Amino acid sequence: EIVMTQFPATLSVSPGERATLSCRASQSVTSNLAWYQQKPGQAPRLLIYGASTRATGIPARFSGSGSGTEFTLTISSLQSEDFAVYFCQQYNNWPTFGQGTKVEIK
Amino acid sequence: QLQLQESGPGLVKPSETLSLSCTVSGDSISSSIYYWGWIRQPPGKGLEWIGSIYYSGSTYYNPSLKSRVTISLDTSKNQLSLKVSSVTAADTAVYYCARPVTEPYSWFDPWGQGTLVTVSS
Repeated sequence: EIVMTQFPATLSVSPGERATLSCRASQSVTSNLAWYQQKPGQAPRLLIYGASTRATGIPARFSGSGSGTEFTLTISSLQSEDFAVYFCQQYNNWPTFGQGTKVEIK
Repeated sequence: QLQLQESGPGLVKPSETLSLSCTVSGDSISSSIYYWGWIRQPPGKGLEWIGSIYYSGSTYYNPSLKSRVTISLDTSKNQLSLKVSSVTAADTAVYYCARPVTEPYSWFDPWGQGTLVTVSS
């Protein structure tokens, strides 16, 4: 099993500021990495796949980077609707997810 | 637009079998080359892939759940189904159906809204 570790567990950010979320894989997943946003009571929403490709309709303020074992999701200027939990997921092998990073209002 | 909707009992007794359905609208599960999948999320916790099924019926399961899980397609109803046998409290979770976009091991989009299943006597 490929273990995905996300950090920090909670990120406190002011609206308009940049948020940087990290995800680490226990072994290389090449670029087979996706990011999701989840708001309370809702299903996860795909943001990024292939480590850096934005899904349809995702604003340009969301960007993904990395390869191998280290990945980053950057939200360039946080909007009110961006406060949520973010999960990474690898699909290089059978899919596994990180435990999530909660982005909260500072 | 492809949409998925889960349904099934919200309460299951320990040792019994959990059975859920996912109705797909906007496409036919048998006429396309899509995969279909199930993912669960225990309350307040992370996500766990349960398994995926190809339109042809080939299945792929999480090794940790494989002995208790069955995923199948009902083409007459345009549904996929999930059965988890011998459930315990650890199986309490929100269960989502979702589409693996390219392969059984893929990213998932779209997702259903999810359905909460509680295992309790």
